[in-house]
Amino acid sequence: DAGITQSPRHKVTETGTPVTLRCHQTENHRYMYWYRQDPGHGLRLIHYSYGVKDTDKGEVSDGYSVSRSKTEDFLLTLESATSSQTSVYFCAISDSHGGLNNQPQHFGDGTRLSIL
Amino acid sequence: QKEVEQDPGPLSVPEGAIVSLNCTYSNSAFQYFMWYRQYSRKGPELLMYTYSSGNKEDGRFTAQVDKSSKYISLFIRDSQPSDSATYLCAMSSVNAGNNRKLIWGLGTSLAVNP
Repeated sequence: DAGITQSPRHKVTETGTPVTLRCHQTENHRYMYWYRQDPGHGLRLIHYSYGVKDTDKGEVSDGYSVSRSKTEDFLLTLESATSSQTSVYFCAISDSHGGLNNQPQHFGDGTRLSIL
Repeated sequence: QKEVEQDPGPLSVPEGAIVSLNCTYSNSAFQYFMWYRQYSRKGPELLMYTYSSGNKEDGRFTAQVDKSSKYISLFIRDSQPSDSATYLCAMSSVNAGNNRKLIWGLGTSLAVNP
């Protein structure tokens, strides 16, 4: 298994509170991603990072921010959680080798977040 | 119309059957094709990764890409109860750039009955 740890694994919180999810990797991969997975929508990219302090938006970035101060850690923050952000959140990592930029992504086991 | 279409199932088969899972897509720029397996309450796990057209085999699994028809398949031979999971297809273009943007199918739920 790729060395990806997500924490916490489960969280229940109230609307309006800030929430931070953490993704930690031991693979020294350059690229890290945050997805959410919802029934009927599948996996949707929230934000991604292509290096330390280098991040960009995905398709569903509103209401989320990210930070990457070290290669191994990628944080996802919900500044003021809403019920629509109840979901399962997955972190993924990938790397590039020999100039091939499309290396596959490897996933953590997710964080189940419930916002009441 | 979604860029990637995948029948959600559920698909139920007896143990030992050959399983065929499929995705169709609309973007002819896609060159990289992946199949992931996701068990309940776990993250997606990469099963097969192919570039451009053709077949790739790994044990009981065969991935097939038909770019002329914009159609990819995953075949599972001698299916086992442990193959019961959701199977996700994903694809990207050569010019995905820094974001490595993958386009995902919604997944097909498979149950293999002993």
